[in-house]
Amino acid sequence: QKEVEQNSGPLSVPEGAIASLNCTYSDRGSQSFFWYRQYSGKSPELIMSIYSNGDKEDGRFTAQLNKASQYVSLLIRDSQPSDSATYLCSPHFGNEKLTFGTGTRLTIIP
Amino acid sequence: GAGVSQSPSNKVTEKGKDVELRCDPISGHTALYWYRQSLGQGLEFLIYFQGNSAPDKSGLPSDRFSAERTGGSVSTLTIQRTQQEDSAVYLCASSRGLVAYNELFFGPGTRLTVL
Repeated sequence: QKEVEQNSGPLSVPEGAIASLNCTYSDRGSQSFFWYRQYSGKSPELIMSIYSNGDKEDGRFTAQLNKASQYVSLLIRDSQPSDSATYLCSPHFGNEKLTFGTGTRLTIIP
Repeated sequence: GAGVSQSPSNKVTEKGKDVELRCDPISGHTALYWYRQSLGQGLEFLIYFQGNSAPDKSGLPSDRFSAERTGGSVSTLTIQRTQQEDSAVYLCASSRGLVAYNELFFGPGTRLTVL
């Protein structure tokens, strides 16, 4: 079983709409969860971290965590063309080997 | 301050040659990571350092790969007898401390092409 699963996309969302990105993970003991954004040809950068069940909001971004379902999601409100990128989910599995999902490629259509 | 830097930015080599990739982490960051990303693929963990020690080398694909870190700072990833399947972007990242609670800052990567 894969440790981290993401829909590879591409996910196309109209400008101004809500983009919803999903991630499931295998380790029930995971306590820390991260979303990284990677523009084409660039390196990943952290956009959100979440540690507790529920929602965490930061500007147009909301991370949602459900540890019982081993599910974490990222919502992007009022999507902009500049949000077009690949989004990588990264649950922390309790060691220092941070694992990443294969990413969901998001395209915002003007 | 300066971010993570990597050199060279691009490296083209012939099959069978050895290559060295360098990473300069952010000053004061104790943790340093190497990842590999093949075209259109996710990030593949290779190795991480805490200080100069590498507690987890499980991601190194074969014994042709080795890495070291000196002075708790610069790290070098060496690939011996390169193969075409080694072609990828090699990303280095550093963190202030435990990655459970600290952001990973990535360098711009070294694009390796093995002909």
